[in-house]
Amino acid sequence: GAGVSQSPRYKVAKRGQDVALRCDPISGHVSLFWYQQALGQGPEFLTYFQNEAQLDKSGLPSDRFFAERPEGSVSTLKIQRTQQEDSAVYLCASSFLGTSGVSLLEQYFGPGTRLTVT
Amino acid sequence: GESVGLHLPTLSVQEGDNSIINCAYSNSASDYFIWYKQESGKGPQFIIDIRSNMDKRQGQRVTVLLNKTVKHLSLQIAATQPGDSAVYFCAENILDSGYSTLTFGKGTMLLVSP
Repeated sequence: GAGVSQSPRYKVAKRGQDVALRCDPISGHVSLFWYQQALGQGPEFLTYFQNEAQLDKSGLPSDRFFAERPEGSVSTLKIQRTQQEDSAVYLCASSFLGTSGVSLLEQYFGPGTRLTVT
Repeated sequence: GESVGLHLPTLSVQEGDNSIINCAYSNSASDYFIWYKQESGKGPQFIIDIRSNMDKRQGQRVTVLLNKTVKHLSLQIAATQPGDSAVYFCAENILDSGYSTLTFGKGTMLLVSP
């Protein structure tokens, strides 16, 4: 497809379950970002990949959150032992990497996965 | 789709009016700013950006104004249309960080009535 896609679009998990959220970035986009968006709030940065390298994971709220991008394209955000406070929309964004090595600034967002933990 | 606008400041306008959405940013070191539009059930969509060496930038029907002295950003939408109804976020970034990790503001819901 032409844009960033995410799956599933909706996920309901019981507290304590593990979940895996998938992101397919735009083809050719080297940079990939994950954000968490609570209801009524702006997105908050979780982690950043350049190709398969996770260069920044400073926004991950706990060690229950883990992200990977093993082949530098598709990424998975995994949340272990989900808690109610994990309920949010998880957004993935990708951007093109400029020749200077700096990620060009326009990020393209996917539609998000709405996670509800009951 | 689900709403992203609960408990957000809301601006209600009539179709054809001009809209002004304001944002106060937090980091005086930020040097790049972006406005995003987010419709219900969708991800944020880029509208317009501005770098800190500018104080005004115009796009199609939109203008962004930057006042670094008071750390204030505004988005002006001319001849607002019902399709402009959405939540609008400003985002800030420090270009020297090497990659564009964005810090988003709280958002404003724009409601346009026909």
